[in-house]
Amino acid sequence: EPEVTQTPSHQVTQMGQEVILRCVPISNHLYFYWYRQILGQKVEFLVSFYNNEISEKSEIFDDQFSVERPDGSNFTLKIRSTKLEDSAMYFCASREDRSLWEQFFGPGTRLTVL
Amino acid sequence: DAKTTQPPSMDCAEGRAANLPCNHSTISGNEYVYWYRQIHSQGPQYIIHGLKNNETNEMASLIITEDRKSSTLILPHATLRDTAVYYCIVRANTGNQFYFGTGTSLTVIP
Repeated sequence: EPEVTQTPSHQVTQMGQEVILRCVPISNHLYFYWYRQILGQKVEFLVSFYNNEISEKSEIFDDQFSVERPDGSNFTLKIRSTKLEDSAMYFCASREDRSLWEQFFGPGTRLTVL
Repeated sequence: DAKTTQPPSMDCAEGRAANLPCNHSTISGNEYVYWYRQIHSQGPQYIIHGLKNNETNEMASLIITEDRKSSTLILPHATLRDTAVYYCIVRANTGNQFYFGTGTSLTVIP
């Protein structure tokens, strides 16, 4: 069964450093998402991406964040200058064009900012 | 944005049906009810969705009241692997994102 994959599973970085979280969505999916979950808190929407541009973003997704689909398979989230409060699980999700219902989530990347 | 109310936690005996309630009294006519679950900090997993009719798939059944103000997710024969946080989400199919609330933490007891 096809699945969304994410790398790395755990990323440790120093405050102020840039990190890139990588996702490989399901191959025939056209809509891509990033969510985050701070430990013990809700899953929060960050951004959605379609047709090579951001289609929607939340208040959390400020100028320190960016997304990119550099090739036909990867979808990345870049955090330019990490802060302690960026420590969280980051989930990538994708959905198929014709299917309006189901977003498939990846296993997540745990980001720890020291 | 959290338009649903769920009990914070529930227990269920292994092999019995787990019935997870959700109140969504302000649901609009074009909003669907979705259920996802999250097993121990893994990525959320889609379970089922519906608009007004009851739905069933290989994982669960969804019962939506006639006035659509509440629904129940039924796991017919709960197993230990069903221990997870279950999220009830209402959303119109015009939007992109899912708003996850705090969900119900279901513990299946041996």
